[in-house]
Formats: sequence, C-alpha cells, structure tokens
Amino acid sequence: DSGVTQTPKHLITATGQRVTLRCSPRSGDLSVYWYQQSLDQGLQFLIQYYNGEERAKGNILERFSAQQFPDLHSELNLSSLELGDSALYFCASSARLAGGPYNEQFFGPGTRLTVL
Amino acid sequence: AQSVTQPDIHITVSEGASLELRCNYSYGATPYLFWYVQSPGQGLQLLLKYFSGDTLVQGIKGFEAEFKRSQSSFNLRKPSVHWSDAAEYFCAVGLILEYGNKLVFGAGTILRVKS
Repeated sequence: DSGVTQTPKHLITATGQRVTLRCSPRSGDLSVYWYQQSLDQGLQFLIQYYNGEERAKGNILERFSAQQFPDLHSELNLSSLELGDSALYFCASSARLAGGPYNEQFFGPGTRLTVL
Repeated sequence: AQSVTQPDIHITVSEGASLELRCNYSYGATPYLFWYVQSPGQGLQLLLKYFSGDTLVQGIKGFEAEFKRSQSSFNLRKPSVHWSDAAEYFCAVGLILEYGNKLVFGAGTILRVKS
C-alpha cells in the first residue's frame, strides 16, 4: 500500500459526459501528479500540482482539468468524454522537496474509466 | 526528445531462471532512473531507483539494476525468478522541468513465468 488513495476504482459512463476522479496523496506529500495509461499511448504524464499550484503540464487535453485543494487532495475533471478517453488514470504523490532535487513518486491504485 | 525504450514487449522465463529486462534512455544529462512493477489490477510499485553513485543498485523483491552511461542503459535483473514476479515492468526517467518534474515511461515489458 503506497498510501495514495484514489476514488472511484471503476467508472463507467457515456460519451459526452463529465466525470471527476479524486486523489488523496500520502500524508505530508505536497506534490500530486496525474498519469493516463492506455493501450495505444502507454503511460503518459498529464499534470503536476505542488501545494495547490500547477507546476507542470504534459499531454493533457483541453477537455481535462485538474486542481489541488488546500487539504492537498486533488481532482481530475474529464469532460465531453470520448471513447478514446477510456483508460486507467493514476495519481501519484511525492514528498516536499528536501535533499536532492528529485523525489520519487508513489502511485495510487488507479481509476479505470470506461466510456461507452 | 527524451525517450525511454524497452525493446521487449513480452518475456517468458522459467521459474528459478535468471531474468534481465532491458531499458535504454535518450537523455543528455545524468538521468534519474526508475523501475516500477505493475501487477494485474494494481498500481505501480517502485522497485528501485538510480540517482547517482554506485551504478549497481539494489531494490526490493531481490531485484537489481545496473546503470551504464556508455550504453544509455538501465537493465533490470533478478538471479532467480519466482512465479509471483509475473507482472508488467516499466522503466522510467525522471525529468526536471522549469517549475516541476515528471516521469517519462517506457512501453513496458510483460513478464510471464512458467513452472
């Protein structure tokens, strides 16, 4: 158990709909990352937040948005869903920056999104 | 562009045999390198990491990896595979960005263990 929690575990919805995925980082971690894992694209970085601020952006579609709240949990919002958005969405967290410039990321169990 | 290549999509080994999973990266500076394992229906678990220092790093579950700068490789090894090692393995490079950081993953290698 990494200490990162994600809800829900599974989500089935229809095209055109909007969903929200939730992530709670490990206790004390200030950074939250979102990744998408799909069969055709593999594991891809979407976005990073650090202490409520967006810090890095990857291949995240304009239909997708995220935020990190004062209690450090994060939400990934996916709207106008398409069949191709079906994927496993992972959240990861890492510690407050201390010591070296890079901190390892701990992953949650993921949310499997199926768009029908 | 930075990339991570895992040339083997599937590997099958017999239980008790040795294992080597290959990983090559394309990155200019000394990279931050990771191996993660994903069991069916599970998240990603960190096996080991390399930041600097000794190029042979030990990880959990009896895994080790060797960083070879001249070959831009970070291969994962295990001397004796157990049936419970069957999973998908991902090599990743950690990149420092202007205000943050991210992981770039390889495509993964699915390990099958036959008894």
